[in-house]
Amino acid sequence: DGGITQSPKYLFRKEGQNVTLSCEQNLNHDAMYWYRQDPGQGLRLIYYSQIVNDFQKGDIAEGYSVSREKKESFPLTVTSAQKNPTAFYLCASSLGTGNEQFFGPGTRLTVL
Amino acid sequence: KQEVTQIPAALSVPEGENLVLNCSFTDSAIYNLQWFRQDPGKGLTSLLLIQSSQREQTSGRLNASLDKSSGRSTLYIAASQPGDSATYLCALWYYGQNFVFGPGTRLSVLP
Repeated sequence: DGGITQSPKYLFRKEGQNVTLSCEQNLNHDAMYWYRQDPGQGLRLIYYSQIVNDFQKGDIAEGYSVSREKKESFPLTVTSAQKNPTAFYLCASSLGTGNEQFFGPGTRLTVL
Repeated sequence: KQEVTQIPAALSVPEGENLVLNCSFTDSAIYNLQWFRQDPGKGLTSLLLIQSSQREQTSGRLNASLDKSSGRSTLYIAASQPGDSATYLCALWYYGQNFVFGPGTRLSVLP
């Protein structure tokens, strides 16, 4: 089955720790995205990548980092510099920028 | 900065009713518009994509229309069912930018 997988589903982090969220797709899509969703708010773009070895900051990139070494994978690291990291994180992909987006199941991160 | 609004924020209807969800935007220079549904604690599921040159798209009981001149898109759900209960979000893609999401409409279909 083609799709997007995210792991883990739930993640707990202590303050001061970095954590990495996994996102993998087997749709052969060039573009991949990371969004953050907070209760009562819309989705906000953290980072996006249009092609391997290239990525761009979104609206709320501070405290986050990404890499795109393989077409299939776009991991997101939440660093200790992110002031309020507790949120629901969603990964998405599309054939190219501006094409239909498909989403993974999400990772819920809680900082203890 | 483009703004996308969805009114109402929440809606409850009895099963079987036809309903319309609204998505309004301030900048009409869109590339495409996509409707999603999101179940609690889950990712987004793509429902329909309308290209800027199109006026509407249909899939089963769903019909989405796009009127760029008035800055509005509507999602029509026919013969609603309890399984349609979810949050519905619209997202707009602007040339040279990324998707801008609306805040969503939370729909409850009562049996």
